[in-house]
Amino acid sequence: ETGVTQSPTHLIKTRGQQVTLRCSSQSGHNTVSWYQQALGQGPQFIFQYYREEENGRGNFPPRFSGLQFPNYSSELNVNALELDDSALYLCASSLPGTGVYSGANVLTFGAGSRLTVL
Amino acid sequence: GNSVTQMEGPVTLSEEAFLTINCTYTATGYPSLFWYVQYPGEGLQLLLKATKADDKGSNKGFEATYRKETTSFHLEKGSVQVSDSAVYFCALPGGSQGNLIFGKGTKLSVKP
Repeated sequence: ETGVTQSPTHLIKTRGQQVTLRCSSQSGHNTVSWYQQALGQGPQFIFQYYREEENGRGNFPPRFSGLQFPNYSSELNVNALELDDSALYLCASSLPGTGVYSGANVLTFGAGSRLTVL
Repeated sequence: GNSVTQMEGPVTLSEEAFLTINCTYTATGYPSLFWYVQYPGEGLQLLLKATKADDKGSNKGFEATYRKETTSFHLEKGSVQVSDSAVYFCALPGGSQGNLIFGKGTKLSVKP
């Protein structure tokens, strides 16, 4: 059973540029969510994708966007990068539904993509 | 909305010492509660969970009990090892979307 894989592992961008991060979900998982983890902080929910559509979003501006593909892999795109976007971006996959609330589902995380914006 | 407050670190212990990391929560209803661990340079891994009041989650010698009366889910381990050095996050669901809300994390360093 493969886990969640993310690429690239590290990247450096300059302010104003655009970045695309990629994620392959765990085998059998069709829901993907993205989290931003700033240095010394807990992960913050960006958005979630199910059946190729965004079905949940945290408090992030529209310049954070995403895609999910038919094979359940996903991309996170960030436009007009700002210095505060420097963080570890984590992808997590799971089965769909409200199972997280009941504990029936568990999020499986990738190792993350560390973005530095200069 | 749901929220979680976690004891801030860092916490430094000697090997074989007793560990407690405090976590309290505010939630609608009785959601499941989680502890995740992040080893250096890695993503988050589920350490343990509890799905209802008075449940005790356990894994790798770590335990946490879902206390409805005190709205707490403290993480404990009787004898820590150097390999337990990591950042520990308490978490609970944010809502029906299936996202999690995480605490700020507690960094644990265990010295030989």
